[in-house]
Amino acid sequence: GESVGLHLPTLSVQEGDNSIINCAYSNSASDYFIWYKQESGKGPQFIIDIRSNMDKRQGQRVTVLLNKTVKHLSLQIAATQPGDSAVYFCAETEAGGTSYGKLTFGQGTILTVHP
Amino acid sequence: EPEVTQTPSHQVTQMGQEVILRCVPISNHLYFYWYRQILGQKVEFLVSFYNNEISEKSEIFDDQFSVERPDGSNFTLKIRSTKLEDSAMYFCASSRDGTGWGELFFGEGSRLTVL
Repeated sequence: GESVGLHLPTLSVQEGDNSIINCAYSNSASDYFIWYKQESGKGPQFIIDIRSNMDKRQGQRVTVLLNKTVKHLSLQIAATQPGDSAVYFCAETEAGGTSYGKLTFGQGTILTVHP
Repeated sequence: EPEVTQTPSHQVTQMGQEVILRCVPISNHLYFYWYRQILGQKVEFLVSFYNNEISEKSEIFDDQFSVERPDGSNFTLKIRSTKLEDSAMYFCASSRDGTGWGELFFGEGSRLTVL
């Protein structure tokens, strides 16, 4: 069936480095993509989203890139901090359809930031 | 900052017992969701709820599951006869916008352990 997956399950970086977390999706009907951060023992926390009519969106220290041609999504974190250590999930949905908040999550990437 | 709250944080139950997980969504939100996350796996959609009825449900959400909004503030997930494989973290979420474009706000989860 349709799925969202991640290329790398773990990423380890030094504080101050830039981090890039990747995600592949297979549902060509997906038109809304979200990155979530999940810290240990907590629920997913919204980071940034992007609609399919865009290929780049920037937030505070984060940038999401969308390549619809190859069905690829990435999250870039600038100047990574120890507090960024968490599991990062991409999620997708057919927001323009009748999804009613039905998100399909990827497997997650564990980001570890070393001081 | 308004947040989704869930109780209990952890529940241990015997196989075959009924369990009710409770959620208080953000007060001005109209769309409610349950997701679950089996340990080490990705977050999975269970059900969405709007205007006192289920909008969409996944294949996981079989007859042993039910949801209810018993009053103006609570949103519950009932598992009628728990099985070992129901052991997971259950996340409640809510959104103001149910079209699919809006941000979902997740609670911190209720961990269910079925023995």
